[in-house]
Amino acid sequence: DVKVTQSSRYLVKRTGEKVFLECVQDMDHENMFWYRQDPGLGLRLIYFSYDVKMKEKGDIPEGYSVSREKKERFSLILESASTNQTSMYLCASTADTEAFFGQGTRLTVV
Amino acid sequence: AQTVTQSQPEMSVQEAETVTLSCTYDTSENNYYLFWYKQPPSRQMILVIRQEAYKQQNATENRFSVNFQKAAKSFSLKISDSQLGDTAMYFCAFMTLGSNDYKLSFGAGTTVTVRA
Repeated sequence: DVKVTQSSRYLVKRTGEKVFLECVQDMDHENMFWYRQDPGLGLRLIYFSYDVKMKEKGDIPEGYSVSREKKERFSLILESASTNQTSMYLCASTADTEAFFGQGTRLTVV
Repeated sequence: AQTVTQSQPEMSVQEAETVTLSCTYDTSENNYYLFWYKQPPSRQMILVIRQEAYKQQNATENRFSVNFQKAAKSFSLKISDSQLGDTAMYFCAFMTLGSNDYKLSFGAGTTVTVRA
């Protein structure tokens, strides 16, 4: 069974902290994505990666960075968390045209 | 840049009736795919239906069907015989197929509530 796993379902962090959100897929997919989901705005693409060590900016990359050292793992990094980064974060990987999603991480920055 | 627009934030439908969700998109690409995803309260995104842009025939999956109008860049979803389990947020999505680039973009979503 296809699986995309995000390391945490809920996370609370303090302003200014460095935050790591981890995503692991077991399907050998080349493409991986990070989105944030906010009410009324849908899913907005932060970063994506089409290969190990490759990354591309999405529509809202400011305040975020990513790391892909291994094919199965794609990490989203908030260098200095701010309250406006409180959101739901979704990771996805794709095989051709089918996307598989993790269960989401609801991050609250206080 | 590609954009996906869903103009209906919320829709309500009586059980067993039909509801249609609208979606428009903007792209200069010729090779792309369109999708509808469902997100129930569990938050897990589920693929409902997929349409390839080069196929004129509208995709169907059981009670779900699309009306794909390529010239108008419109891609609506029809849910027939609505069931309580269809209550969810529905996202229209768009993927272009570049050499390295499988960028997947989403609309703002439509919340569908099925009433008993």
